[in-house]
Amino acid sequence: SQQGEEDPQALSIQEGENATMNCSYKTSINNLQWYRQNSGRGLVHLILIRSNEREKHSGRLRVTLDTSKKSSSLLITASRAADTASYFCATDKKGSNYKLTFGKGTLLTVNP
Amino acid sequence: GAGVSQSPSNKVTEKGKDVELRCDPISGHTALYWYRQSLGQGLEFLIYFQGNSAPDKSGLPSDRFSAERTGGSVSTLTIQRTQQEDSAVYLCASSPDPGAQETQYFGPGTRLLVL
Repeated sequence: SQQGEEDPQALSIQEGENATMNCSYKTSINNLQWYRQNSGRGLVHLILIRSNEREKHSGRLRVTLDTSKKSSSLLITASRAADTASYFCATDKKGSNYKLTFGKGTLLTVNP
Repeated sequence: GAGVSQSPSNKVTEKGKDVELRCDPISGHTALYWYRQSLGQGLEFLIYFQGNSAPDKSGLPSDRFSAERTGGSVSTLTIQRTQQEDSAVYLCASSPDPGAQETQYFGPGTRLLVL
């Protein structure tokens, strides 16, 4: 089973709106990361949040982490058509600090 | 600076043939990772290298898959006797040091199609 699972599987919004994606995981983690993938090719790292952090910001991105619920959310504010991509969360398990486990991703479509 | 590069970008092969996929990590990165992404799926961990050694091969799906890394740099993933279910995008990543606290930098991937 997937360590990290994102929802929704697909999200379609209009430019300027905010997009929220969620990730749930099953085991204790050291960190949780969010990646972006365009057109099924290489992934681009967006943000890393450590298990002792609750919220982190980077530009238009806001990530929250709730370790008690084993969940995270990624908020993209004031979305742009260029934000259209798949977004993945990746977690590591405590005691296995190099192996990332990815969910199936959320496909975000931002309509101009 | 140069990122992670992979070759070939695309590979079409016939069932039963062997294929080699190459990854050039970012210079100086000691850790290297291979992942596989099937259509519409997340990434599946295959193998991790620290320098030239592979402490974790647990993700390799069968003994038809092998990987090596030479000189602490370039890595080659070899799939022998390819099967149609091997069709996927194979992604390589590197990081300065091992550890998920380090960002993994991904290459563009090799899209493999086994006919």
